[in-house]
Amino acid sequence: TQLLEQSPQFLSIQEGENLTVYCNSSSVFSSLQWYRQEPGEGPVLLVTVVTGGEVKKLKRLTFQFGDARKDSSLHITAAQPGDTGLYLCAGEGHHMRFGAGTRLTVKP
Amino acid sequence: DTGVSQDPRHKITKRGQNVTFRCDPISEHNRLYWYRQTLGQGPEFLTYFQNEAQLEKSRLLSDRFSAERPKGSFSTLEIQRTEQGDSAMYLCASSRLISYNEQFFGPGTRLTVL
Repeated sequence: TQLLEQSPQFLSIQEGENLTVYCNSSSVFSSLQWYRQEPGEGPVLLVTVVTGGEVKKLKRLTFQFGDARKDSSLHITAAQPGDTGLYLCAGEGHHMRFGAGTRLTVKP
Repeated sequence: DTGVSQDPRHKITKRGQNVTFRCDPISEHNRLYWYRQTLGQGPEFLTYFQNEAQLEKSRLLSDRFSAERPKGSFSTLEIQRTEQGDSAMYLCASSRLISYNEQFFGPGTRLTVL
């Protein structure tokens, strides 16, 4: 059983569309991280959210941490083919606990 | 390039052989982590070091696995008597002690056991 559940597992959309992916847990986290991973490479840290209700923006990506610090969402506006990848959320601890990820494909 | 580096990037071995992977972390990072990732899953924690001390090991880390960080800089992960189930991507990450939740990953070593 994954400590962090991510949905959807797969998402395929056309360039220019908007999308939201979710990361849910029954546990409270003092912080949560989002990573993007491309095939054959290691995950790359996108953002850390710390405060319940916090919203962070990174260009066309908007990250939100739930008020209870148990869930988070990632919204991408006007998706581009370069956004294609595996999006992973991870909860903090002395070692990170990762969800299984959402595999996003953006078609040109 | 001052990021985390791993060597080799790919390793193909036969069942029963021993393999060793190396990780060079970001130079000022105290903490170094090893993870394993299989297809369709997120990375799973194996072990971590703070400087040269190995502070935690996952139950995933069987007695065939051993990791070292002898001088608090680079680390090695050795797998003895490899099994087909060991086939996976082995990822190394490093972080500062004060911001341990922001970990920076290397490109990984892809192990295939035939």
